Amino acid sequence: ELKVEQNPLFLSMQEGKNYTIYCNYSTTSDRLYWYRQDPGKSLESLFVLLSNGAVKQEGRLMASLDTKARLSTLHITAAVHDLSATYFCAVDVLQGAQKLVFGQGTRLTINP
Amino acid sequence: DVKVTQSSRYLVKRTGEKVFLECVQDMDHENMFWYRQDPGLGLRLIYFSYDVKMKEKGDIPEGYSVSREKKERFSLILESASTNQTSMYLCASQTGLVYGYTFGSGTRLTVV
Repeated sequence: ELKVEQNPLFLSMQEGKNYTIYCNYSTTSDRLYWYRQDPGKSLESLFVLLSNGAVKQEGRLMASLDTKARLSTLHITAAVHDLSATYFCAVDVLQGAQKLVFGQGTRLTINP
Repeated sequence: DVKVTQSSRYLVKRTGEKVFLECVQDMDHENMFWYRQDPGLGLRLIYFSYDVKMKEKGDIPEGYSVSREKKERFSLILESASTNQTSMYLCASQTGLVYGYTFGSGTRLTVV
């Protein structure tokens, strides 16, 4: 059974600091996604990582994928309050049909 | 942009009622999914469909059924709602390998 594990699950940080969220998964996959969720809202797509070594950046967020290590990271640079949200990674697998398996989510709180 | 529309943002239903949650996508995608999201349990796959009239059980199909009569519409059915089905329900459409998955705005269902 595929497992997707994120850590940390909760992260409280100060504005201006850097931090990294880790996403490990237990089976072979070349496709990994990062989503953001604000309280009471749906999932907003942040990054689509489609191959080993893929790196994508948008503003203060940067995501990378190492398929050999089965690890993706989401790095936050010089955090600002607006980045407070829950972040999910999800792995795309073929189990009968194509489907997404999610990590538990990381609740990020950025304090002024 | 792909649009995935869930017909209701909030629903309150009584125990034992039959409940229909509707999801419509506007891009002729083949793959559609229903997830439920609960605090501490993350997102769990209920059912998915990879074509009209085709469906597959996800990880937690008990108490649910689905219907896909037309490609754009994927309905989740609670045959006899119970209080443990109180949850946030999210529909997704697979946008393709490059763009990933697009989620609807979610339906928060309360069963009383």
